[in-house]
Amino acid sequence: DADVTQTPRNRITKTGKRIMLECSQTKGHDRMYWYRQDPGLGLRLIYYSFDVKDINKGEISDGYSVSRQAQAKFSLSLESAIPNQTALYFCATSKAGDTGELFFGEGSRLTVL
Amino acid sequence: AQTVTQSQPEMSVQEAETVTLSCTYDTSESDYYLFWYKQPPSRQMILVIRQEAYKQQNATENRFSVNFQKAAKSFSLKISDSQLGDAAMYFCAYRSATVGQNFVFGPGTRLSVLP
Repeated sequence: DADVTQTPRNRITKTGKRIMLECSQTKGHDRMYWYRQDPGLGLRLIYYSFDVKDINKGEISDGYSVSRQAQAKFSLSLESAIPNQTALYFCATSKAGDTGELFFGEGSRLTVL
Repeated sequence: AQTVTQSQPEMSVQEAETVTLSCTYDTSESDYYLFWYKQPPSRQMILVIRQEAYKQQNATENRFSVNFQKAAKSFSLKISDSQLGDAAMYFCAYRSATVGQNFVFGPGTRLSVLP
């Protein structure tokens, strides 16, 4: 089983719908992240959390919210999806105090019609 | 803010040949880490190689090696004896060693391997 698991893997939805992407990890890492990947832009940080009580905005947080339900769970919500939120979303984890390598989930491809 | 540039959106290499992917970055810090991640068609992000800025020796992982030029802020990836399985998107990434700092990714280079 994957160390970082994202659900759903693929999702098609309509404009205005609320969408939740979920992430769980078995690596025991404190730090969790949500990234968005768009062609030609690489990965951009949406939100990150260094522990259960710590939530921080990344560079593109508008239109998104997150919840850190437990050390192992970090979910991303789109309150009212819009077409330009169509993208590949990655959850990642890292270990505090380490060289900081990111460990990624398998990605969630979201299409907003 | 730090930025990472990959000036080659696409590259191709013949199987068994060598290819070099370019990456430059902009930072005012002296202590940081640099990474190359590979994203095959399966879309999984896989760490290829890592370099600590304080180390002068270039990192090597099997067929993958880097040319780290700190003064020039350059971090290129060399793939030797290219294989069909090397075909993927490659992302260069920067992370400050300062506590709490996050990764900055380049836009990626799509590598094709020709049989």
